[in-house]
Amino acid sequence: EVHLVESGGGLVQPGGSLRLSCAASGFTFSSYAMGWVRQAPGKGLEWVSAFAGSDVGTYYADSVKGRFTISRDNSKNTVSLQMNGLRAEDTAVYYCAKYNGDYYFDYWGQGTLVTVSS
Amino acid sequence: DIQLTQSPSSLSASVGDRVTITCRASQSINSYLNWYQQKPGKAPKVLLYGTSSLQNGVPSRFRGSGSGTDFTLTISNLQPEDFATYYCQQSYSSLMYTFGQGTRLEIK
Repeated sequence: EVHLVESGGGLVQPGGSLRLSCAASGFTFSSYAMGWVRQAPGKGLEWVSAFAGSDVGTYYADSVKGRFTISRDNSKNTVSLQMNGLRAEDTAVYYCAKYNGDYYFDYWGQGTLVTVSS
Repeated sequence: DIQLTQSPSSLSASVGDRVTITCRASQSINSYLNWYQQKPGKAPKVLLYGTSSLQNGVPSRFRGSGSGTDFTLTISNLQPEDFATYYCQQSYSSLMYTFGQGTRLEIK
């Protein structure tokens, strides 16, 4: 059974940094692209970042490009999101998600809340 | 970037009704369109992928159609558990799978 468990969320001041991690199990991690999707309070889903399964590329939404960095460790079955220069508008629940092939997200974590506030 | 526009943003319906939600893409995305359902406090769940393919375990009252830039999600014979928020998502742009703004389906 596939499980995705996020960690690392919390309260951070504007301009600060936070590192989210997602521990995956139940599938051959290295074979699949992984991504992050966020949802601001009361708002819709926003795709944030992705790391291709074959380690051939990383992708970012314009809203986070240059501030966020996605990485993965196939030996530990984890994907991480390093978030620097955080802004109030980055406040959201951040979900880790597994891509099914290259077509859609078939599994999601439970989400971790990031609050950017002074 | 590909933009997705859903309509309506919200709608009210009764159990047993049929409802349709529309998703329009800013450019052709062929059939690379997915639909998700999200309930409060929960992660989204995929319903349909590739426009019309039903994810395992999803009831057949959910149907998707369209191609190019215009897509629809139709839910027939609404059940109490169907009242939720629905999102379309394009999977045309290499892993940069953006979402529509969502449609909230409420009980009338």
